[in-house]
Amino acid sequence: TQLLEQSPQFLSIQEGENLTVYCNSSSVFSSLQWYRQEPGEGPVLLVTVVTGGEVKKLKRLTFQFGDARKDSSLHITAAQPGDTGLYLCAGAGGAQKLVFGQGTRLTINP
Amino acid sequence: DTAVSQTPKYLVTQMGNDKSIKCEQNLGHDTMYWYKQDSKKFLKIMFSYNNKELIINETVPNRFSPKSPDKAHLNLHINSLELGDSAVYFCASSQMGAREGYTFGSGTRLTVV
Repeated sequence: TQLLEQSPQFLSIQEGENLTVYCNSSSVFSSLQWYRQEPGEGPVLLVTVVTGGEVKKLKRLTFQFGDARKDSSLHITAAQPGDTGLYLCAGAGGAQKLVFGQGTRLTINP
Repeated sequence: DTAVSQTPKYLVTQMGNDKSIKCEQNLGHDTMYWYKQDSKKFLKIMFSYNNKELIINETVPNRFSPKSPDKAHLNLHINSLELGDSAVYFCASSQMGAREGYTFGSGTRLTVV
């Protein structure tokens, strides 16, 4: 069974600080995706990384795929209240399904 | 124009009832999914259909029966609802499998009382 462990599960920081969320597994994934979910809505895809060591940037968000394609990180620079939400990592393994981590609830305080 | 739409948004029903949730996507994707999100926000796959064919059927009670009349629609019927079925159910779609990511609907919050 493929499992993804996200840490931390909860993170509350002040506006302007930097943060990193981690997503780890013992399994290899063909791609790793990050989603953001707002209350009452479905997860929205932020980024997909497919190559070991790949780094992608989305404004103040930086996503990295581990060299062995077993882990990923999400780094946010100068966090803003609008970044508040539930961040989910998901790995694409076999059988066309995504395996999700348990999520990181991020709160950015003004 | 909503890409993946689910109805209803909220569903409150009594134990033992039978209910259905409908999902439609207008993205032209070939694969559709049902996921269940529990109270701790953990998302777990239930079913997947590719071009109307069932390709993933996780360990889900057989009270849950998906139906895909065409590749743009995937419905979920639940018989004899139990308290433990209370959760948010998400429909999603993708093109060419999971590798490029899913588009999710906004969810159906099912409460069994």
